[in-house]
Amino acid sequence: EVQLVESGGDLVQPGGSLRLSCSASGFSVNDFGLHWVRQAPGKGLELTSSISPNGDITYYADSVKGRFSISRDNSQNMLYLQMSSLRAEDTALYFCVTGSAYYYDQWGQGTLVTVSS
Amino acid sequence: QSALTQPRSVSGSPGQSVTISCTGTSSDVGGYNYVSWFQQHPGKGPKLMIYDVSQRPSGVPDRFFGSKSGNTASLTISGLQADDEADYYCCSYAGSYIFVFGSGTKLTVL
Repeated sequence: EVQLVESGGDLVQPGGSLRLSCSASGFSVNDFGLHWVRQAPGKGLELTSSISPNGDITYYADSVKGRFSISRDNSQNMLYLQMSSLRAEDTALYFCVTGSAYYYDQWGQGTLVTVSS
Repeated sequence: QSALTQPRSVSGSPGQSVTISCTGTSSDVGGYNYVSWFQQHPGKGPKLMIYDVSQRPSGVPDRFFGSKSGNTASLTISGLQADDEADYYCCSYAGSYIFVFGSGTKLTVL
């Protein structure tokens, strides 16, 4: 069974840092782009970061550029998101997502990041 | 990338049809035939309903129909059922591992 399981979400103070992890099972991530999509409470979906199969191409939304860093370890079937200089507006459920080159069809259950003092 | 524009809400009675629009630009919706649609019930993760503009994944009923014209994609749901009540998001490929989501539409089944 294909599964994506996120972890690392927590309550953190503004300006703090956090590292999210996503463990993939049931398939090899080697051939797939991987993405972090977030959803703030009561709000819509937003792609924050993407990484190509071999990690040579990354994308960051303007809202997180310079503060978030996406990485992957294909040997461990893992995806990561290093978040720094966190703001209240980064509070959201963060989903690990993958699929074909042109659409998402596998989502994790999400990990909750709360930025508050 | 700016969010694609969707109506905030739509509604319909059981058995009726509703259409949700999704308007982007030539850099996303208009530039690729790679629009997908997700259904999200409260407290649940998104579920893929349509991909590549009009393709249905296995298990999605043919009451869900996707189309596109120019910079606007549409999702039509016919024979509305109570369980169709949910939030719907469009999503367009925008090149090189970039995707842009719509603002989301709340479907109410009256």
